[in-house]
Amino acid sequence: KAGVTQTPRYLIKTRGQQVTLSCSPISGHRSVSWYQQTPGQGLQFLFEYFSETQRNKGNFPGRFSGRQFSNSRSEMNVSTLELGDSALYLCASRVGGGTEAFFGQGTRLTVV
Amino acid sequence: AQRVTQPEKLLSVFKGAPVELKCNYSYSGSPELFWYVQYSRQRLQLLLRHISRESIKGFTADLNKGETSFHLKKPFAQEEDSAMYYCALSGSGSARQLTFGSGTQLTVLP
Repeated sequence: KAGVTQTPRYLIKTRGQQVTLSCSPISGHRSVSWYQQTPGQGLQFLFEYFSETQRNKGNFPGRFSGRQFSNSRSEMNVSTLELGDSALYLCASRVGGGTEAFFGQGTRLTVV
Repeated sequence: AQRVTQPEKLLSVFKGAPVELKCNYSYSGSPELFWYVQYSRQRLQLLLRHISRESIKGFTADLNKGETSFHLKKPFAQEEDSAMYYCALSGSGSARQLTFGSGTQLTVLP
């Protein structure tokens, strides 16, 4: 069974640009969550999608958005990038709420 | 609101010594508690969850609802246990997202 796949693995962007990250969950998993991981703040919840609907949202500005497609694949978009957005972005998929989450390897975003 | 606190950022123990990683939580309902581990250069993975009551790699964790704690314990630490450990909580109803603590970096010294 293939694991959670995130693309790309690494990204370098300039301040003010926008970026789209992609996550393919484990087959059969309908829940996809996104997290931002930084040395200072640890793992912070961005949002969760379930069956194409955003179910929960963390405390991030509106520049951070996401969506989920009918095949459960999810994308996360960050507009007007800031230096502070440099982080490892992790995607996790679950069968449903309350169950074990499986994580991808992450996308390392560097904003210069 | 749900919150997870891991008071120790860094923890070092010698090989063969007991280890306890602390986790306290705040949640008004009945949460599901998890411990996740991230070994160097590997992805975050589940170590154990409280409802399964399993012992994984010699680690156990007991949910103490009175003290709102879910400490992770191992009687004899091994060098391969060195990793970053995260305690996480999943709520109920509309709050089923996983909320993580800030993590504890465990180093097991030879």
